[in-house]
Amino acid sequence: DSGVTQTPKHLITATGQRVTLRCSPRSGDLSVYWYQQSLDQGLQFLIQYYNGEERAKGNILERFSAQQFPDLHSELNLSSLELGDSALYFCASSVAPLPVEQYFGPGTRLTVT
Amino acid sequence: DAKTTQPPSMDCAEGRAANLPCNHSTISGNEYVYWYRQIHSQGPQYIIHGLKNNETNEMASLIITEDRKSSTLILPHATLRDTAVYYCIGSITTSGTYKYIFGTGTRLKVLA
Repeated sequence: DSGVTQTPKHLITATGQRVTLRCSPRSGDLSVYWYQQSLDQGLQFLIQYYNGEERAKGNILERFSAQQFPDLHSELNLSSLELGDSALYFCASSVAPLPVEQYFGPGTRLTVT
Repeated sequence: DAKTTQPPSMDCAEGRAANLPCNHSTISGNEYVYWYRQIHSQGPQYIIHGLKNNETNEMASLIITEDRKSSTLILPHATLRDTAVYYCIGSITTSGTYKYIFGTGTRLKVLA
């Protein structure tokens, strides 16, 4: 158990819909990272927040957005969903702004039908 | 930017050392090399990282060549539970921020 929690574990929704994935970092960690893992793309870094501020951006689509709240939990919002958005979405956290040692959550499996 | 190259798969006998190579010839002088592993579809697990010197922790050892163009992760006594995909990760450094770049990894199978 990494100490990072993600909800929900599974999500099934239709194309065009919007969903929100939630992540609670390990106690004391200020950085939260979001990753997408699909079968054909591997693990892709999406975005990082550090203490409430966006810190680094990866291959995040404009239809996706994220935020980190004052209590440090983070949400990833995915809108206008397409079939290709079906994937495992992982959240990770670390103490520092640099991703030297990240702790990953169990992931949310999103299926878009 | 540190792009990494790893063999797609390897087998190792249980109890033997597993040596997983990684090529990162484009790594720059201040970029670390990180290793993570992923068992089935669980969240990746941090193993070790290093810059220049060899590193060891309770999970593994990391040997980095002097020119830093390649490294080897060593699991000294592999067990069946070490069967996983192992990622050697480079990073992109932009204006003081770092982003992990996961490659396709090496699928290690530990055989009984």
